[in-house]
Amino acid sequence: GAGVSQSPSNKVTEKGKDVELRCDPISGHTALYWYRQSLGQGLEFLIYFQGNSAPDKSGLPSDRFSAERTGGSVSTLTIQRTQQEDSAVYLCASSEKGQGVITGELFFGEGSRLTVL
Amino acid sequence: AQTVTQSQPEMSVQEAETVTLSCTYDTSESNYYLFWYKQPPSRQMILVIRQEAYKQQNATENRFSVNFQKAAKSFSLKISDSQLGDTAMYFCAFMNGQAAGNKLTFGGGTRVLVKP
Repeated sequence: GAGVSQSPSNKVTEKGKDVELRCDPISGHTALYWYRQSLGQGLEFLIYFQGNSAPDKSGLPSDRFSAERTGGSVSTLTIQRTQQEDSAVYLCASSEKGQGVITGELFFGEGSRLTVL
Repeated sequence: AQTVTQSQPEMSVQEAETVTLSCTYDTSESNYYLFWYKQPPSRQMILVIRQEAYKQQNATENRFSVNFQKAAKSFSLKISDSQLGDTAMYFCAFMNGQAAGNKLTFGGGTRVLVKP
């Protein structure tokens, strides 16, 4: 597609349920990032993919959070046993990684707003 | 670890006037990149301007310009001739240049309100 696509746009769930958030990056972008943005706050890094591998998953807040990327394209962020503090907007971004050149620009999706009741 | 600080939670400006947003960062790296991103109410983050640390010349993009002070680790954004469409959250961000494809570290953001 023309831009980064995320689904669902909004998700309301009950505490303790599992949720999956999907990100479809810009075609050809090899780098993919997940960020979390709590209400009125900045962006908190969660995980970075280069192709299908995740060289940096240092931002995942607990073992309830996991992410995978298949075929070097679509990524899924899974939150198990959701808690109220997981409520936030989850943003996905992709970037074109040239041959050893950092382009620097991340292209963001519109995010998935998660509300845990 | 790198940190990015934006000390102004909110700023307002009259249409057609100029506003300057401050950003400071902390790093031990010599090669890095700095960015300003805009997040309008639609939530989609948009790149406004970027600066390579090795470049002394300040970056400009139309009405947007930066004042990059490497020794002071300061990276402010100036919006000239403010327009109503500039109303948004603005985030300063840092990327380590040593590791290609590394993550962006964001500041807490500054909300800008342009008044008619």
